[in-house]
Amino acid sequence: GAVVSQHPSRVICKSGTSVKIECRSLDFQATTMFWYRQFPKQSLMLMATSNEGSKATYEQGVEKDKFLINHASLTLSTLTVTSAHPEDSSFYICSARPSGSLSWEQYFGPGTRLLVL
Amino acid sequence: SQKIEQNSEALNIQEGKTATLTCNYTNYSPAYLQWYRQDPGRGPVFLLLIRENEKEKRKERLKVTFDTTLKQSLFHITASQPADSATYLCALAGGNQFYFGTGTSLTVIP
Repeated sequence: GAVVSQHPSRVICKSGTSVKIECRSLDFQATTMFWYRQFPKQSLMLMATSNEGSKATYEQGVEKDKFLINHASLTLSTLTVTSAHPEDSSFYICSARPSGSLSWEQYFGPGTRLLVL
Repeated sequence: SQKIEQNSEALNIQEGKTATLTCNYTNYSPAYLQWYRQDPGRGPVFLLLIRENEKEKRKERLKVTFDTTLKQSLFHITASQPADSATYLCALAGGNQFYFGTGTSLTVIP
């Protein structure tokens, strides 16, 4: 149980285009989902906390107009990288916290590799 | 701001030995600390959690200690195997947020 999927697993796009990444909790409902970014040989950096039915909370330094987050249902959150540039190339990972669970619980997706040319 | 450091970017040990990884933190008093395993190109997988009022936690060949005075956690893998080769991340948690260390890449040599 507690499986989280991400789609796509990798994407290559041209500079200036927008890319949408989906994060789904497959066998549980998740009121809260988290979006992380990881650059090579670096740790996960929390970008934003997504709560179902409300606006996402962004970490300091993360542009909310560039990284649009939508958490429209209890099993799906999407991250849209708008007008992507080469510096946005990174590994994007989501995690999901089961609804009603202890605050420490989160289950990670397999990640999405984004390459912007 | 909080700072989390993990010992040496890479650690190589011989199969069968005990691997010890370190996680030090500053400017933070976490309610609990977690350890994750991450394989290349994959998301982290949860291994162990230890709370601030716990000194030690074990799970099979894994052992975690938590010293809130030293602000340090040690992660041990006993009888290490080549399959244990991966990057191990510590994460501090308090409230609803997590902060990850930079990770230690462990290689177990057959």
